[in-house]
Amino acid sequence: SQQGEEDPQALSIQEGENATMNCSYKTSINNLQWYRQNSGRGLVHLILIRSNEREKHSGRLRVTLDTSKKSSSLLITASRAADTASYFCATVSDRDDKIIFGKGTRLHILP
Amino acid sequence: NAGVTQTPKFRVLKTGQSMTLLCAQDMNHEYMYWYRQDPGMGLRLIHYSVGEGTTAKGEVPDGYNVSRLKKQNFLLGLESAAPSQTSVYFCASRRLRNEQYFGPGTRLTVT
Repeated sequence: SQQGEEDPQALSIQEGENATMNCSYKTSINNLQWYRQNSGRGLVHLILIRSNEREKHSGRLRVTLDTSKKSSSLLITASRAADTASYFCATVSDRDDKIIFGKGTRLHILP
Repeated sequence: NAGVTQTPKFRVLKTGQSMTLLCAQDMNHEYMYWYRQDPGMGLRLIHYSVGEGTTAKGEVPDGYNVSRLKKQNFLLGLESAAPSQTSVYFCASRRLRNEQYFGPGTRLTVT
């Protein structure tokens, strides 16, 4: 079964709005990672947040982690057309270092 | 610094044929992975390697074999291709507990 589950599965917003995607997981983690995948391309790493961190920023990206709820969120502020892509969360197990991906959120930015 | 490269980019096989996909990384990463990605399924781990000469099964290993004779290369073999193996295959590498770097993918069609 998938460790990370993203929510929603798909999201369409107007350019300039903020986009929020959520990820829930089940077991103890060492860190959680977010990736972006443009259509037909490989995944690109966006941000990594460790289990002892609660929030992390990178440019227009903000990631939060709540280990008590086993959930994370990715916020993209002031969205642009170029942000249209699929976004995946991946968890790295604290026990055996295995990395498992969720099924992703498809984000579509409307002009 | 080429990162992670995959060969070939596209391939069409007939049922029962065999082939090998090559993944190469020049970042001296210990860990390497092979995934398949199907529509609506996210990434599923086929096999992985934690170091030269070692391999391990992932989530969907049946029908595939791998070898890691050199640290920089990770080979994925299909001994007798089946239509169910039609997919996009991604290779990735990383250091322990860090983010993954993905190759551009190999699109395989089995007829």
